[in-house]
Amino acid sequence: DAGVIQSPRHEVTEMGQEVTLRCKPISGHNSLFWYRQTMMRGLELLIYFNNNVPIDDSGMPEDRFSAKMPNASFSTLKIQPSEPRDSAVYFCASSSGTENTEAFFGQGTRLTVV
Amino acid sequence: LAKTTQPISMDSYEGQEVNITCSHNNIATNDYITWYQQFPSQGPRFIIQGYKTKVTNEVASLFIPADRKSSTLSLPRVSLSDTAVYYCLVGPPLGGGNKLTFGTGTQLKVEL
Repeated sequence: DAGVIQSPRHEVTEMGQEVTLRCKPISGHNSLFWYRQTMMRGLELLIYFNNNVPIDDSGMPEDRFSAKMPNASFSTLKIQPSEPRDSAVYFCASSSGTENTEAFFGQGTRLTVV
Repeated sequence: LAKTTQPISMDSYEGQEVNITCSHNNIATNDYITWYQQFPSQGPRFIIQGYKTKVTNEVASLFIPADRKSSTLSLPRVSLSDTAVYYCLVGPPLGGGNKLTFGTGTQLKVEL
């Protein structure tokens, strides 16, 4: 398996534009996590899904952020409209449903909003 | 979720053994202790996980005392490539829809 795949790897956009980040989890994994990482706030859990259903979105900063998981092999994180303070590295991770399992992270998407 | 406390940073030299201690005084009965490693510009990577006593794998050892209120990650004979941030996480197993929450981590710097 190629691991968790995120796209794009880098995104530069202007303030006010819509940004969509994509994630393909490892096949067979049923939990998916979206994180944001900045120097100031570290690794923050934004939202996570279990069996394609959002379980906890309390980490989503505000209504400008939304996430979907239409099927077991794809998830998106959308920011609309984007703001400079959204600049960060966004990570997606997935894990299987077994006990004592680990999470596998993608390479991340570095978002810069100018 | 149990709150964890670990040193912000540590320095070491190549070939030394490094021990990073994490405090988790309010760990729950069903909580496991998990350590992740993160290199610059990469996502975190699982290192080791344990519940009690000692766990060892090809990368590290994890020591957990009987009261489980702390744990120590031991990296034998570190090299420059072990320079990374190390996160201690305490919580129930991921299976069943539990979440994975990271703290501030320990920045380990290994020098020649």
